[in-house]
Amino acid sequence: AQSVTQLGSHVSVSEGALVLLRCNYSSSVPPYLFWYVQYPNQGLQLLLKYTSAATLVKGINGFEAEFKKSETSFHLTKPSAHMSDAAEYFCAVLYSSASKIIFGSGTRLSIRP
Amino acid sequence: DVKVTQSSRYLVKRTGEKVFLECVQDMDHENMFWYRQDPGLGLRLIYFSYDVKMKEKGDIPEGYSVSREKKERFSLILESASTNQTSMYLCASKLQGQGYGYTFGSGTRLTVV
Repeated sequence: AQSVTQLGSHVSVSEGALVLLRCNYSSSVPPYLFWYVQYPNQGLQLLLKYTSAATLVKGINGFEAEFKKSETSFHLTKPSAHMSDAAEYFCAVLYSSASKIIFGSGTRLSIRP
Repeated sequence: DVKVTQSSRYLVKRTGEKVFLECVQDMDHENMFWYRQDPGLGLRLIYFSYDVKMKEKGDIPEGYSVSREKKERFSLILESASTNQTSMYLCASKLQGQGYGYTFGSGTRLTVV
């Protein structure tokens, strides 16, 4: 079955440290990939998306993600965490045969002062 | 910017009531979706619609119905609200076709008492 897996339901980093949120998808055919962020009591906001134009995708708020076909991964990174990055992050995939996006279970990012 | 508007941010209803959650988008998107979000369960798809008057069941349609009489509006109906339907409800829309991500509304937090 097609799926997306986010490793780690909760990640905590210090302010200024590297942020790394992991995402793996299950398909031999590269899908379209997305990262969304959700702040408390709000809807989801698109951070970035991969649509096969470039393997390194830059998004808003200094985040970027790299598509690695050999690892079926699309990990989200940010060089230096800020307190305002505390939120829940969702990886999502859209396979070519469907219009429904499949969401990962989410990773809650906490930032320590 | 595409806007997806959900009519209420917070809603409190009584058990057994018929509840309508409204969602309107202003960018002529063909596809619309209703999710519910619960702690530890991520986003679960309730219903979606590919176009006007079309609807498809998602993963958890029981206890819900939907209506899409106009392209811009997608309504979620709780036929007889129950306490286990207390949740955050998220509406989303997207253009038909590959590579397009969702645009989400701000969510409706429904409490059934």
